[in-house]
Parts: sequence; structure tokens; C-alpha cells
Amino acid sequence: LAKTTQPISMDSYEGQEVNITCSHNNIATNDYITWYQQFPSQGPRFIIQGYKTKVTNEVASLFIPADRKSSTLSLPRVSLSDTAVYYCLVGDGNAGNMLTFGGGTRLMVKP
Amino acid sequence: EPEVTQTPSHQVTQMGQEVILRCVPISNHLYFYWYRQILGQKVEFLVSFYNNEISEKSEIFDDQFSVERPDGSNFTLKIRSTKLEDSAMYFCASSEWAQRTDTQYFGPGTRLTVL
Repeated sequence: LAKTTQPISMDSYEGQEVNITCSHNNIATNDYITWYQQFPSQGPRFIIQGYKTKVTNEVASLFIPADRKSSTLSLPRVSLSDTAVYYCLVGDGNAGNMLTFGGGTRLMVKP
Repeated sequence: EPEVTQTPSHQVTQMGQEVILRCVPISNHLYFYWYRQILGQKVEFLVSFYNNEISEKSEIFDDQFSVERPDGSNFTLKIRSTKLEDSAMYFCASSEWAQRTDTQYFGPGTRLTVL
């Protein structure tokens, strides 16, 4: 059974837009999709959350298709300080709807 | 800004010993969580706690583990008879609403080292 999956790593340059996709092909029906940012030796920090369609806040956008089998975090105009690991968090129907973090995407922003 | 706090920041223990990791969630929050992160790996859900009882637990959260809210502010994770493989960062989190995928606020973590 497929799990909650993300690309392991991505590279970008300052000022570019970065899109990170999480695949969750069996998400629990009533659960939100949440994305977190984690710096080394720190706890995850909330970025954005949505249920379906598009959500935007002051730091990111989240795109969720109608079938909710994936979600894409969009970071506009990244800076060096956005270098971190990004995780999606969902209730995974493949794991009894257990709260499940994706494997994390390590984003490296270069000057 | 209110934040989740955890103590100690680093705990070193001998295999077979019991440890208690402590957390103070944000004061008006209703849902509490413990997660584990083994070095270099992803964050893993252990347990959630609501209304003074366990709401959900993962396969990792076996009889070796227990949680408690001993008073109105603290939330603890006890690991009995620690094993080498219990070495990890342990994060506490809390959320304001009683919806399990509500925004969670994480503490800074406790690094547990089992020798």
C-alpha cells in the first residue's frame, strides 16, 4: 500500500517559487492536510493547512485537487532562510487513519 | 506568544531505566500529542490525548509507553525499561480545538539518549 510520500530533496535559488508535492492516496475523509517546516534541532512549525481547493496565507499557498490524493505546497520567492525540511501531515487511510507525516522534503535554497 | 515547553532538553539514561519526559502545552489547548524523531528520519506519531484519555496511538506506542496529565498544566510521556532504539528526539505538541488534524504547536523537543 502506498504511504504518504514526498520527494526526498529539492534545490532552488533565492527568489524562485518552489512547489513541493505530497502524495496521500488514501487520506482520511474528514481530515485536513497540514504542512510543517522543520529546522535542525527544532520542532516542526506550522506553515499552512487546507481541506480542498486552494488556501493562501502570508507565507505559502496550498493546492489540493478535488480527489485530495495529493497536495502541493507552494513557497513564493524563497530566501536562504527557507532552507529546511518540509513535511505534510495527514490521516493516512492506509494506516488506519493514523496521523502520518510524509517522509519530508529537504529544501536547499542557494544564493 | 504562547509556546509549548519541554523538559529536559537532553536526557541520558542507561538501558533498562525508566524516563519521564515532560511537556507544558499551551494553556487553552485541548488536544495533546507526542511524536518521535529518530536521528535523520521523519517525525513519527506516538499518541494523542484528549479529555484525559488516549485518543489514538500508533504501533510504536506499546506497553512500554504511557502518558499522563497529572495536573492542569503538565503532560508527560513515560518510557519504562528503555531500549537502545528508544534514542530519539521526542516532541510534544498541542492544538486548540478537539479536531485531530487541527494546527499543532510543537515544543522544542527532548533528546533522549539511551546507553
